[in-house]
Amino acid sequence: NAGVMQNPRHLVRRRGQEARLRCSPMKGHSHVYWYRQLPEEGLKFMVYLQKENIIDESGMPKERFSAEFPKEGPSILRIQQVVRGDSAAYFCASSPGGQHHQPQHFGDGTRLSIL
Amino acid sequence: RKEVEQDPGPFNVPEGATVAFNCTYSNSASQSFFWYRQDCRKEPKLLMSVYSSGNEDGRFTAQLNRASQYISLLIRDSKLSDSATYLCQLKAAGNKLTFGGGTRVLVKP
Repeated sequence: NAGVMQNPRHLVRRRGQEARLRCSPMKGHSHVYWYRQLPEEGLKFMVYLQKENIIDESGMPKERFSAEFPKEGPSILRIQQVVRGDSAAYFCASSPGGQHHQPQHFGDGTRLSIL
Repeated sequence: RKEVEQDPGPFNVPEGATVAFNCTYSNSASQSFFWYRQDCRKEPKLLMSVYSSGNEDGRFTAQLNRASQYISLLIRDSKLSDSATYLCQLKAAGNKLTFGGGTRVLVKP
């Protein structure tokens, strides 16, 4: 399966712990996007990355959240000192980038639950 | 005004009927447009791109109206399996992508 791979599918953390969510883009895709979806709400853009660069992080909370997309390996969304309000589905999407008319392909998401 | 707006619905549609809904946008520099569907607790999946001249894919027809700044999706002969949330997405310069809040469609027998 050459699709977008996210892991883990489900992640349970206690308040104050750290959560690390991983995303491997589709083969040949160099652009990665992270979204958060709260129950019964729409997708909220968080951050857009290319290899080793953060292009747009306008949707990222100012504290506790960070993202990276290293030269080698998956993109990581890191949430430090998690709180109950971080419970959500986190989706990663990738695209080839470049010019327009390139839709995104989504991973299955990581469901984060904070106890 | 939100960048991208959709009627949240739900649109209750009898099986076999036609349903249509719009997605309005405020950024006139938007360059590419897409419709995705999202089933409950699943990831969004691309339904179709929206081209300037309008395009059709089976029972689904997408239109773009740049003058009035909206795109539309029409579903003919609705099936029970069409029940989902339909998300519009716009791409502007710099690969800036924005989703609407989604329109929920419920097809009933």
